[in-house]
Amino acid sequence: KAGVTQTPRYLIKTRGQQVTLSCSPISGHRSVSWYQQTPGQGLQFLFEYFSETQRNKGNFPGRFSGRQFSNSRSEMNVSTLELGDSALYLCASSLAGVGGYTFGSGTRLTVV
Amino acid sequence: AQTVTQSQPEMSVQEAETVTLSCTYDTSESDYYLFWYKQPPSRQMILVIRQEAYKQQNATENRFSVNFQKAAKSFSLKISDSQLGDAAMYFCAYEGGKLIFGQGTELSVKP
Repeated sequence: KAGVTQTPRYLIKTRGQQVTLSCSPISGHRSVSWYQQTPGQGLQFLFEYFSETQRNKGNFPGRFSGRQFSNSRSEMNVSTLELGDSALYLCASSLAGVGGYTFGSGTRLTVV
Repeated sequence: AQTVTQSQPEMSVQEAETVTLSCTYDTSESDYYLFWYKQPPSRQMILVIRQEAYKQQNATENRFSVNFQKAAKSFSLKISDSQLGDAAMYFCAYEGGKLIFGQGTELSVKP
């Protein structure tokens, strides 16, 4: 059974640019959550999608957005990148968004 | 708001010995899940063990077990017979519509 796949693994962007990260959940999982991990703030919840609908949202500016497709794959977009957006972005999938999450290997975003 | 606190930024254990990582949380809910995740240098977040709050019995997964004290809102992880491969960052997490993580405990294992 394939795990959670995140692409790309590494990304370097310039301030002001935008970026799109992708997450393919485990087959059959309908919930996809996104987390930002930084040394200073730790792991912070960005948002969760379930059956193409955003079900929950963390405390991040509107520059952070996401969506989920009918095949449960999810994308996360960050516009007008800032240096502080440099982080490891983790995606997690779950059958129903409760009781257990499987994480991908993450996308390391560096903003220069 | 729910919070999760791990008061030990770093822990060290001798190979084959036992170590306990601490975690406390705060919630007004009565039914929830608690997790311990392991994050090795590869960055992959790996689920170690899960506890459902309504179950009084402490969860166990091979060498890993928890001490779940619901009234005290405490959820510690015990690793028995520690192995070099156990070295990693360990995160305690509370599930309440989303995962709320503690700050993490970096565990080193000495040969």
